Amino acid sequence: GAVVSQHPSWVICKSGTSVKIECRSLDFQATTMFWYRQFPKQSLMLMATSNEGSKATYEQGVEKDKFLINHASLTLSTLTVTSAHPEDSSFYICSAPDSRGTNEKLFFGSGTQLSVL
Amino acid sequence: GENVEQHPSTLSVQEGDSAVIKCTYSDSASNYFPWYKQELGKRPQLIIDIRSNVGEKKDQRIAVTLNKTAKHFSLHITETQPEDSAVYFCAAYNNNDMRFGAGTRLTVKP
Repeated sequence: GAVVSQHPSWVICKSGTSVKIECRSLDFQATTMFWYRQFPKQSLMLMATSNEGSKATYEQGVEKDKFLINHASLTLSTLTVTSAHPEDSSFYICSAPDSRGTNEKLFFGSGTQLSVL
Repeated sequence: GENVEQHPSTLSVQEGDSAVIKCTYSDSASNYFPWYKQELGKRPQLIIDIRSNVGEKKDQRIAVTLNKTAKHFSLHITETQPEDSAVYFCAAYNNNDMRFGAGTRLTVKP
């Protein structure tokens, strides 16, 4: 199946700093990338949907200026958590449908565990 | 938008028993329903899926049923094993939008 590579797998940062998370589709072109956040023992909550070459679509309640999403190429999408605070600590995970298929099957990155001190 | 509800939130079974997890969805236009298994700190893994034009699908010990009229679908795991212990998520997809249920923590006791 398709592979989505996500980095870093974990990051610890000080409050107020910014953190960038990258997701790359390795063997297919990801025209769409979904970004999810998952708090401990909770479900995957969609934060935003990014489309290559256009602005991301954010879910209600997700701050666009805080969670910057860039999808500049068909194989790379990034999420930058700006001015991170302890409440932003969470598991962030990306996923993309394989455009070669029917576009429904999602392939997930390995996730990034963010801890903000 | 789509709303997916999943029950139960936790499920404990004895090894060898069956486990059933149920989900309902709100958007009748949803046409694809995957189930994911997630182990702690890892990415969700697709274990089975079903499309809206099919009522049932089976893959070895795992089966999924779909009732479009009632807008609910279920995951059935037979002959459960300790390695089946994980969190399971259902999801409903429509038009490039995938929504997940809240998850079910399944524990299989040896």
